[in-house]
Amino acid sequence: SQKIEQNSEALNIQEGKTATLTCNYTNYSPAYLQWYRQDPGRGPVFLLLIRENEKEKRKERLKVTFDTTLKQSLFHITASQPADSATYLCALARAGNMLTFGGGTRLMVKP
Amino acid sequence: NAGVTQTPKFHILKIGQSMTLQCTQDMNHNYMYWYRQDPGMGLKLIYYSVGAGITDKGEVPNGYNVSRSTTEDFPLRLELAAPSQTSVYFCASRPGRNTGELFFGEGSRLTVL
Repeated sequence: SQKIEQNSEALNIQEGKTATLTCNYTNYSPAYLQWYRQDPGRGPVFLLLIRENEKEKRKERLKVTFDTTLKQSLFHITASQPADSATYLCALARAGNMLTFGGGTRLMVKP
Repeated sequence: NAGVTQTPKFHILKIGQSMTLQCTQDMNHNYMYWYRQDPGMGLKLIYYSVGAGITDKGEVPNGYNVSRSTTEDFPLRLELAAPSQTSVYFCASRPGRNTGELFFGEGSRLTVL
């Protein structure tokens, strides 16, 4: 069956360092992948989309990579700040189909 | 610019009761979705709609019903509430099928006792 895995353990890093979050998937051939940010008690907010034919996408301090051979996406936040502390969700979809979400990884950036 | 609005934010139901979670969006989006989120489990799709008058089941539809009489509104009805329906419910919308991001509401936290 299709499976999307994100590290369920919280990632703790020091302010100013680069945070790297992982999204692995199996039995899936997604057309695109998205990353969302979710703060406690709030709805997810869209951050980035990357398509299957793209290797990398950047937006300000954010970078997403997509390796369809490894079936993995990496989400990087450079020069991390305490305000980046949140849960980050990855979501995958085949063209025209519904998005399927991973369980999310909680990021804690310490000052 | 309100976006996606959900009500209520919190509610406690007794087993066997019914209720409706309201969702409305002011972005003229065709596609609307209902998800539930349980701790560490990700978002699970309950129902979705591709336009007024059209709805379809998602991954976990049992115990729920939806309707879509207008583009703006997509209410979720819980019939005969069970403790397993204790969750946080999110409504989301987007303009079309392949048009990228979902816009989420702030969620409705439901407890069934």
